[in-house]
Amino acid sequence: GENVEQHPSTLSVQEGDSAVIKCTYSDSASNYFPWYKQELGKRPQLIIDIRSNVGEKKDQRIAVTLNKTAKHFSLHITETQPEDSAVYFCAASPSNTGKLIFGQGTTLQVKP
Amino acid sequence: NAGVTQTPKFRILKIGQSMTLQCTQDMNHNYMYWYRQDPGMGLKLIYYSVGAGITDKGEVPNGYNVSRSTTEDFPLRLELAAPSQTSVYFCASSYAGYGYTFGSGTRLTVV
Repeated sequence: GENVEQHPSTLSVQEGDSAVIKCTYSDSASNYFPWYKQELGKRPQLIIDIRSNVGEKKDQRIAVTLNKTAKHFSLHITETQPEDSAVYFCAASPSNTGKLIFGQGTTLQVKP
Repeated sequence: NAGVTQTPKFRILKIGQSMTLQCTQDMNHNYMYWYRQDPGMGLKLIYYSVGAGITDKGEVPNGYNVSRSTTEDFPLRLELAAPSQTSVYFCASSYAGYGYTFGSGTRLTVV
C-alpha cells in the first residue's frame, strides 16, 4: 500500500524567512496531494492541495510543487509569520480510492 | 451548516468496556473516514466508507468496527477497549476523496 515519508520532523525559522517541507510517496498511481495545518489541540485544516496533472500551485504565501517522476512533493511557505507555527501534514491519495495516507508531520516554529 | 460533528469530545473508558464514537456530517459528502492520532504522530486511517452500505478497512482496523446506514452518519465502535486505543479520534468527510473536512475530535483514554 501507499507509504508517505515527511521531512523534517521539526523546523525552526526566523520570522520573514521561508520554510520548506518535503514528502515522498511510494505508490506511483497516487493522484492527489493535500497539505494540512494543525494547531495545538485543534483539528487538521486543509491549506492547499495539488492534483497529479499539475506541477505547481500557489495561494498567496503558500505553494506546493509536485515531481511525479521522483514521487515527491513539497510545501513552500514564504515570509513566515508567528501564526504559521503549527504542525503540518502532507498526504497522498492512492488512485481512485478516495482515502488519504498521511505523513508523520512537521512541527514548524516561527520565531519573532 | 455544522460541517462534521463528533461526540463525545472526551471519554475515559476502563479496559474491556465498549463504546461508540458518533460522527455526523451535513454537507452531503459521499465519503467518510475515521482516523486516530497518537501523541506527536500523524493520522492513521482506521476505516472509511465511500457511500451508505459500503465500508472498508484502513491501515489500523483491528479492535474497531463501523457501519454506514445513512449518508450523514458514520459511527465507530470500540469493542473490549485496550490501553493501546488511547488516542484522539478524528472523523472526516469529503466529496469523492477531495478536500477533507475534519471533525473536532474525540479524546479517548483507556485506563
